[in-house]
Amino acid sequence: GAVVSQHPSRVICKSGTSVKIECRSLDFQATTMFWYRQFPKQSLMLMATSNEGSKATYEQGVEKDKFLINHASLTLSTLTVTSAHPEDSSFYICSARGIDGYTFGSGTRLTVV
Amino acid sequence: QQQVKQSPQSLIVQKGGISIINCAYENTAFDYFPWYQQFPGKGPALLIAIRPDVSEKKEGRFTISFNKSAKQFSLHIMDSQPGDSATYFCAASNLDGGSQGNLIFGKGTKLSVKP
Repeated sequence: GAVVSQHPSRVICKSGTSVKIECRSLDFQATTMFWYRQFPKQSLMLMATSNEGSKATYEQGVEKDKFLINHASLTLSTLTVTSAHPEDSSFYICSARGIDGYTFGSGTRLTVV
Repeated sequence: QQQVKQSPQSLIVQKGGISIINCAYENTAFDYFPWYQQFPGKGPALLIAIRPDVSEKKEGRFTISFNKSAKQFSLHIMDSQPGDSATYFCAASNLDGGSQGNLIFGKGTKLSVKP
């Protein structure tokens, strides 16, 4: 089946620094990838939709300058949290859309100290 | 119209029992209805999905029932096991409608299966 690899699984960074999260579709090409944020005991909140070779579409209320998304190839999308602050601490999950549906990465637990 | 309403919020079932989770949607353009299982600290994993041309799909102990006219679908877990204890999300999307279509998630159901 389709596999999406997300790295790192956990990251701790200092306030003010930037963190990059990678999402790769391993055995299929994903023209569209999605980035979600999930707070404890809540559902997934869509942050942005990225299409290969074009600018990401951000959901209302998501700061595009803080959450930089790059989708440079059909198998790789990255999310960079810039100038991270403690309130950015969360669980970030990517998803890649294939022909038959959506496959999710294993998530990244970001802790900003 | 984009909402997917999921119930119950939490569910406790005895081992061997049947777990039933329900979802309702509004957007008639939705054509793909998956259920995801999520364990703490992990990403959602596809459990089973259905398209609107069938009313039921079964995979092992998991069954989706789909009622197009009522715009409702449900997940049945037969012979529930403690290892099924997780959070379950229903979702819907317009998979055939274009490249953008994203999943709309329900709020999730935390299932606890007691031994």
